[in-house]
Amino acid sequence: KQEVTQIPAALSVPEGENLVLNCSFTDSAIYNLQWFRQDPGKGLTSLLLIQSSQREQTSGRLNASLDKSSGRSTLYIAASQPGDSATYLCAVPGSNYQLIWGAGTKLIIKP
Amino acid sequence: DTAVSQTPKYLVTQMGNDKSIKCEQNLGHDTMYWYKQDSKKFLKIMFSYNNKELIINETVPNRFSPKSPDKAHLNLHINSLELGDSAVYFCASSQGQVFYTGELFFGEGSRLTVL
Repeated sequence: KQEVTQIPAALSVPEGENLVLNCSFTDSAIYNLQWFRQDPGKGLTSLLLIQSSQREQTSGRLNASLDKSSGRSTLYIAASQPGDSATYLCAVPGSNYQLIWGAGTKLIIKP
Repeated sequence: DTAVSQTPKYLVTQMGNDKSIKCEQNLGHDTMYWYKQDSKKFLKIMFSYNNKELIINETVPNRFSPKSPDKAHLNLHINSLELGDSAVYFCASSQGQVFYTGELFFGEGSRLTVL
């Protein structure tokens, strides 16, 4: 049974720092992995989708990597800004057409 | 131009009432979903429709009934509302099923409060 874990649960860093969020999954036979952000009281915004054949994806200051063999993905945020403050979630497809979600990392960027 | 839009954004109602939440997507996707996010922030899938056909129907009380009049719309009707139904309900869509290559796009959520 696929399980997704995100560490740390919360992270607070000063503005301008580079940071890494972690996502691990127990079953390496995944089709893809998706990173989302959720702002308080808002919906989820898709950030990056990595297909199983890819090692990484980049969008602006964000870079997501995927290592299927070790069951890990990282989301790297460069030059963090206060506007990056949000909860970041990762998800992988599980059985029965469902997404299996991590519990999220709550990120606070201090000005 | 909103990709996935759901209405209403906020809904406050009494126990026992019946209410509906509507969802529309203008992305041309063929799969739509309803998720429930509880107070602990966990996202749980409730239903999924692919080209108007129900493909996921999780263990949800039958007071919850989805309806997909066309592939751009997926509405959620809830009968006899209970206190435990209070949550944020998210609509989402994808091109194809997320199990394969579909990237998931979410609406902004509908916060339901049952008094």
